[in-house]
Amino acid sequence: EPEVTQTPSHQVTQMGQEVILRCVPISNHLYFYWYRQILGQKVEFLVSFYNNEISEKSEIFDDQFSVERPDGSNFTLKIRSTKLEDSAMYFCASIGGAGTGELFFGEGSRLTVL
Amino acid sequence: AQSVAQPEDQVNVAEGNPLTVKCTYSVSGNPYLFWYVQYPNRGLQFLLKYITGDNLVKGSYGFEAEFNKSQTSFHLKKPSALVSDSALYFCAVRDMTGGFKTIFGAGTRLFVKA
Repeated sequence: EPEVTQTPSHQVTQMGQEVILRCVPISNHLYFYWYRQILGQKVEFLVSFYNNEISEKSEIFDDQFSVERPDGSNFTLKIRSTKLEDSAMYFCASIGGAGTGELFFGEGSRLTVL
Repeated sequence: AQSVAQPEDQVNVAEGNPLTVKCTYSVSGNPYLFWYVQYPNRGLQFLLKYITGDNLVKGSYGFEAEFNKSQTSFHLKKPSALVSDSALYFCAVRDMTGGFKTIFGAGTRLFVKA
């Protein structure tokens, strides 16, 4: 079964450092997302990405965050200057061509900011 | 704006008994509803969805959900619970505008006792 893969599984960083989280979505999917989950609680939408541009972003996704799909396969989330409150589990997800399809999630990247 | 509510933080049930995890929704237009399950330290896994058609939707692992338009509900059910069903369950709604983002409820933790 096709799967979404994420790296790293866990990253520890110092406050103020830049972090890049990487994702390889399912190859024929067209819509890509990043979600955040703090301490096993609510799953919060960060950003959606389609046709090589952001289609929607939440209020959480401020100027410190950016996404790109540099090579047609990898999908990255960059946090420019991490804050303590950025500590969370970050999930990448994707859906296929139709907007009614289910989301396929990666296993997540745990970010710990010290 | 689209939203879902899960009124119970936690549901406790004995193994072999039926289980229900509640979800209500608020949407403009037709609802596209989903249930996902999350096991500890894992990504979310798709269980089932309602797009159109039969109000009773069957999904993975013996789960089903009943769409009720008049009560704006989409409760998850299983006739006979297993200890292995213990997990975090999320109801979700698809926003069919823009980038087709999925909005999640706060989650309900299910404990099945042997």
